[in-house]
Amino acid sequence: GENVEQHPSTLSVQEGDSAVIKCTYSDSASNYFPWYKQELGKRPQLIIDIRSNVGEKKDQRIAVTLNKTAKHFSLHITETQPEDSAVYFCAASEVNTGFQKLVFGTGTRLLVSP
Amino acid sequence: DVKVTQSSRYLVKRTGEKVFLECVQDMDHENMFWYRQDPGLGLRLIYFSYDVKMKEKGDIPEGYSVSREKKERFSLILESASTNQTSMYLCASSGQIGEQFFGPGTRLTVL
Repeated sequence: GENVEQHPSTLSVQEGDSAVIKCTYSDSASNYFPWYKQELGKRPQLIIDIRSNVGEKKDQRIAVTLNKTAKHFSLHITETQPEDSAVYFCAASEVNTGFQKLVFGTGTRLLVSP
Repeated sequence: DVKVTQSSRYLVKRTGEKVFLECVQDMDHENMFWYRQDPGLGLRLIYFSYDVKMKEKGDIPEGYSVSREKKERFSLILESASTNQTSMYLCASSGQIGEQFFGPGTRLTVL
């Protein structure tokens, strides 16, 4: 089955810096890669996702890149702000079967200092 | 707005008790999921269901069972709670393909 590894486990940056979180996956059949953000005491929420027919996707200050050959994908946050502080989870899934079972990474705690 | 609700935010039970965690979604989603979240281990899938009365084991089903009698409701059952089942339990739902919407979580403590 699918296995997703996520690094780093913690990341501290200064406000305004960029942050990069990396994930690798094992199953070449996976074709959907979402990223979830979980603020302290709250539920995880989807912030961006990418499908395997696309190499990069951007939404304002966040972007995700996908390298299918190397089986890795990354989350990039530019101009970080204190409200970006949270735990971020990557996930991978094969969606061709008609339903979707996500395998999550172990999470990255991002701390943005003012 | 999609709403996924869980029956309790906090629950304290004793070893050996039978525990029911309820999850309800209001978006007519086919798929529903139960995860447990532990520090350093991320979100691990316990069970999921892609239709009423259908269930599939996830990655860590041992010690758990589920029930889905109605499309909007998915229950997680701990037949005989043990201390190693102390955790945060998150329910989620989704349409066929796309975003999973999570509930607020139930923090279960087994004494």
